[in-house]
Amino acid sequence: GAVVSQHPSRVICKSGTSVKIECRSLDFQATTMFWYRQFPKQSLMLMATSNEGSKATYEQGVEKDKFLINHASLTLSTLTVTSAHPEDSSFYICSARVLRGEGNEQFFGPGTRLTVL
Amino acid sequence: GQSLEQPSEVTAVEGAIVQINCTYQTSGFYGLSWYQQHDGGAPTFLSYNALDGLEETGRFSSFLSRSDSYGYLLLQELQMKDSASYFCAVPDSSYKLIFGSGTRLLVRP
Repeated sequence: GAVVSQHPSRVICKSGTSVKIECRSLDFQATTMFWYRQFPKQSLMLMATSNEGSKATYEQGVEKDKFLINHASLTLSTLTVTSAHPEDSSFYICSARVLRGEGNEQFFGPGTRLTVL
Repeated sequence: GQSLEQPSEVTAVEGAIVQINCTYQTSGFYGLSWYQQHDGGAPTFLSYNALDGLEETGRFSSFLSRSDSYGYLLLQELQMKDSASYFCAVPDSSYKLIFGSGTRLLVRP
């Protein structure tokens, strides 16, 4: 099956520091990956679409200078939360779309829980 | 834009059948998906409906009526491990998934 990994699974940092989260497709190539954010007891909110070899596309209201996305290869996308603040504390999840004959199946990484002190 | 509505919570007993409804408003329609998410975990794909009707996968079935902009997830023979949040989601033309607010299912013994 299609496996997506994320690293780290959990990170605690001080306010003002930057945190990088990696998302990897382990057994397939993903030209497109997606980054979501989920606050406790809420739904997943799409932050941006990460495209291999080109700039990410950000959703309305998401600061592109704060959430830097790089999709340098067909198996790796990174999200860097710059100058993190406590309000950035959340569960960050990436996903990758698998090209199949029909349907739109996305496989999700296990998520990264970010806590900013 | 897209919006999806689901009940916030559903409670059922072990062994029972439960139905989680989802109504949607979309500018274009490319299918309806369902995902399960346990607390602290990532969403896992359950089913996808592009056409009207019922899709069955083991204890889980999903139904779609495009004319009513409505679908549901049916869970049969409920087990304690089915306690989780369930999200309906629709992709847009660029395959971005828009999720509903989620339904927390609590299965009681």
